[in-house]
Parts: sequence; structure tokens; C-alpha cells
Amino acid sequence: AQKITQTQPGMFVQEKEAVTLDCTYDTSDPSYGLFWYKQPSSGEMIFLIYQGSYDQQNATEGRYSLNFQKARKSANLVISASQLGDSAMYFCAGGTGGFKTIFGAGTRLFVKA
Amino acid sequence: DAMVIQNPRYQVTQFGKPVTLSCSQTLNHNVMYWYQQKSSQAPKLLFHYYDKDFNNEADTPDNFQSRRPNTSFCFLDIRSPGLGDAAMYLCATEGGGGGYNEQFFGPGTRLTVL
Repeated sequence: AQKITQTQPGMFVQEKEAVTLDCTYDTSDPSYGLFWYKQPSSGEMIFLIYQGSYDQQNATEGRYSLNFQKARKSANLVISASQLGDSAMYFCAGGTGGFKTIFGAGTRLFVKA
Repeated sequence: DAMVIQNPRYQVTQFGKPVTLSCSQTLNHNVMYWYQQKSSQAPKLLFHYYDKDFNNEADTPDNFQSRRPNTSFCFLDIRSPGLGDAAMYLCATEGGGGGYNEQFFGPGTRLTVL
């Protein structure tokens, strides 16, 4: 993807509730991959979930699911049953090949007890 | 566990004094990346290696160099650090097989320039 946009600088969610983090992408390439990473305050980026442009089904990984709407060029991350440990920065990222991944600006998620 | 290791975790250097950050991996991945991440910003790709092939991003300053002596190790050299180079430096690896693959990141090195 050539541009990744995350419009939510910060989000609050109550523990055990679900939350959706928005991501839109802009690319003219028909083939691309979209990723979500979590970055806790410790700094390490952790891969969460992947969606390929040709995948027919929305990706799911445990409590994470990706709401992929190709026509809208959106790839929103849904976290179900939020936990306090989910408080972190979340980055949407995309690649169209050539080992160049573009990251969005990130969304900081705060989970309230 | 297979992993990406970065040393040191915290590095303090003086303005203009060369500094080297290191990254090692036990994943045997072909691709290694270096990113610069400033506070509350997205990671910015500096360069990557595919095996020994080095690929520099067009806007990476000449002040930043990299070496990859073997599959496991990759180094980031900052020849004359300026105050603007203070940041978190993230190393990542990727399998490099076909398709789009997730990257595996190290814990980062936080660089302070005095």
C-alpha cells in the first residue's frame, strides 16, 4: 500500500468491551498485504494479524479480527473482550511488495478498568 | 525461542561521536530491516537487506550506514549523530519468501544524543 491512514490518535475502551481501530489505505496495485502491529510502551512491535488483498474471508486471530472492506479500502482492526494488557499503540501497515512496508501514524488505545 | 535481539537497549552518545547499534536474529530470515521511530510517530524505514543485497531508502541521510556480515547479524552505524537522530531504532526480520510476510521486530535501541 502506498499510503496508510489512521484517523484516531487515541481511543478509550472499557475492559471486556469490543473496540474498532480504523485504517484506510490507498494503493493502485491490485496485489497487496495489510498488517496490524501492537507496540506496548516497552517498544517492541508485535505482529497481530494479516489480510491479503485476494483473501475472500476476513482474517481472525483469537480476539483480533480484521474488518476488510475492499471497495472502501478499509482494514479496521476489531479487538473483542478488551483486556488491560491491550493498552498500547496500534499500527496499521501495508505492503505491495519489494520489501517496503508503509506504516500508518498509529492509534493509542487505552483500556479502562 | 527464535528471536530478534538488539543491543544495547539504551545508548547514549555525544553529538558527532560515531555510534553502532547491533541486531542479531535466530530466525534465519533473509530480510533484515532498520527503522527509525521518533516519539509517537510511525516507524520510518531506513534500509533493508535481502541476503547481502543492500537497499537504501531515498531519503535516508548519508550519516546512516549499515553492515550485514552474515545472515544473523546486522549493524546500524551513525557516523556523526546529531540531536535530531535521537530516536528508537528498530530492527526487524522477514522470511522473504513469496507473498507478503509479517515482520519480526526486536525490542529496539533507544538512542540519546547529548
